[in-house]
Amino acid sequence: ETGVTQSPTHLIKTRGQQVTLRCSSQSGHNTVSWYQQALGQGPQFIFQYYREEENGRGNFPPRFSGLQFPNYSSELNVNALELDDSALYLCASSLAETSGRTNEQFFGPGTRLTVL
Amino acid sequence: GDSVTQMEGPVTLSEEAFLTINCTYTATGYPSLFWYVQYPGEGLQLLLKATKADDKGSNKGFEATYRKETTSFHLEKGSVQVSDSAVYFCALGGGSNYKLTFGKGTLLTVNP
Repeated sequence: ETGVTQSPTHLIKTRGQQVTLRCSSQSGHNTVSWYQQALGQGPQFIFQYYREEENGRGNFPPRFSGLQFPNYSSELNVNALELDDSALYLCASSLAETSGRTNEQFFGPGTRLTVL
Repeated sequence: GDSVTQMEGPVTLSEEAFLTINCTYTATGYPSLFWYVQYPGEGLQLLLKATKADDKGSNKGFEATYRKETTSFHLEKGSVQVSDSAVYFCALGGGSNYKLTFGKGTLLTVNP
């Protein structure tokens, strides 16, 4: 069973640029959630994707956007990067039941984004 | 909205000492409660969970009991090891809700 994988591991960008982060969900999972973890803080929920549609969003501006593909992998896109976007970005996959209830989330190792 | 407050760190213990990391929460409805652990340079690993009041989650010698009356989910271990050194996060997740709400984390260092 393959776990959650993320790419790239590290990334350095400059302010104003755009970035795309990628996540492959664990085998059998159909839901992907993204979190931002600033240094020394707990992860903050960005959004979740289920059946290729956004299924809930945290307190993040529209320049944070995402996609989910038919194979349940996902991308996180951030436009107009700001210095405060520097963080570890974590992807988590889970299996949502037909009732809509989401079970345990399994996390990938994260992508460390540095904005200069 | 939902929130989690956990004990500020860092916590430094000697090997075989008793560990408690306090966690309290505010939530609507009946959330599930979790403890995650993050080792240096790695993502989050689920340590244990409890899905309803009075449930006790346990794993690798760690335990936590879901106390609805005190809205708490304190993490305990009777005898810590050097390998337990990590950051520990308390989190809650709503029923059909999709997101996890995390505390700020507690850094635990165990010295030999």
